[in-house]
Order: sequence, then C-alpha cells, then structure tokens
Amino acid sequence: EPEVTQTPSHQVTQMGQEVILRCVPISNHLYFYWYRQILGQKVEFLVSFYNNEISEKSEIFDDQFSVERPDGSNFTLKIRSTKLEDSAMYFCASRSGLPPYEQYFGPGTRLTVT
Amino acid sequence: DQQVKQNSPSLSVQEGRISILNCDYTNSMFDYFLWYKKYPAEGPTFLISISSIKDKNEDGRFTVFLNKSAKHLSLHIVPSQPGDSAVYFCAATLNAGNMLTFGGGTRLMVKP
Repeated sequence: EPEVTQTPSHQVTQMGQEVILRCVPISNHLYFYWYRQILGQKVEFLVSFYNNEISEKSEIFDDQFSVERPDGSNFTLKIRSTKLEDSAMYFCASRSGLPPYEQYFGPGTRLTVT
Repeated sequence: DQQVKQNSPSLSVQEGRISILNCDYTNSMFDYFLWYKKYPAEGPTFLISISSIKDKNEDGRFTVFLNKSAKHLSLHIVPSQPGDSAVYFCAATLNAGNMLTFGGGTRLMVKP
C-alpha cells in the first residue's frame, strides 16, 4: 500500500541553525501539507501546497518557514533559523484531488532544537 | 483556539465491548469530519470520515455518527480489540480537503 515517507526520523539541531525536513508524498497525490505536534499539545496545521504554490498557511508559518517541491516526488519544509520552541514532531501529509478527502500522514520527524 | 474538542482524555474498555469516542466542534461551517488513530512514534492513520450531508458512515467495526444540530460527532468501535489501543483524534475541515483542525485526542485502552 502506498505511504508517505519522511526523513530524517529524528533531527537534532542547535538554535539558529537551518533545518530541512523531507517528505515523499504518495505518488499520485496533488495536495501536500505540513503539520506539527509539540509534546503534549494538539496536532497543528502549518501549510498546504497545491499546484506548486502555498494554498493556505497558519499563523505559525511565518517568514522563518518555507516549503518547496523541488522535483516530482519530494516535498520539503525548511526552517531558516530554528528556535527552541520549534522542537516538535513534524508530520507531512498528502491527499488526492478526488473525494473522499482524507489526508494520509507520514511517520513524522522529531525535531529537537538545543 | 478550541474549535474541535475531545473532552475525554482517556477511555478504558473491555475487549469485545463497544468503545464510544466523542468529539465536539464549534464552527458550524465545518463540512467534513475525520477520525485518525495514532500509535506512539507514528503518524496519524486515517480511520473513517463523514461528510456534513450525512449523519452516519460505517466501515467494518467503525461507525461515525454526526449530529450537526448538536455540533457533535462520535466514533463507535464494535467489538473493541486490544489492537485498537491508541490515541484517537477527530479532525474537521472547511471546504472538504483543506487544512485539518484537530481535537486534543482520546487515549483508548482496550483491556483483554
């Protein structure tokens, strides 16, 4: 069964460093998403991406964040200058363009900022 | 922001019995609702969804009920199995397929 994959599974970085989280969505999907979950809190939406552009973003997704689909398979989230509060699980999700509209999630990347 | 709430942080059920997980929402514009299951160190796994034009959707042991007037949905698992033990999240979306707004989750424990 097709699945969303994410690398790395765990990333440790120092405050102020740039990180890139990588995702390979399901191959025939058209919509791509990033969510995050800070320990003990809700899963929160960050950004959605369709047709090579951001379609929606939350207040969390400020200028420090960017997304890219550099080729036909990868979808990346970049954090330019990480802060301690960026420590969280980051989940990538994708869905097809047809109903039903469920989003399929990857296993997540645990980002630890020290 | 509490647009989607799951008021029970945990639920314990005996194997073979029914598990009922509840979810409330405040935004009447939500038009599509989903339930996800999550194991530790894994991403959420889609279980079942329902459109706002329906009041029930069934898939095997899982049934979701939607009460729009009460802004309430529930997930029924019958019969419950130990492998169902996980955290269950309800989520809602505007314009079906857009960003998901998640509840805080309910940890279900099914005892053998």
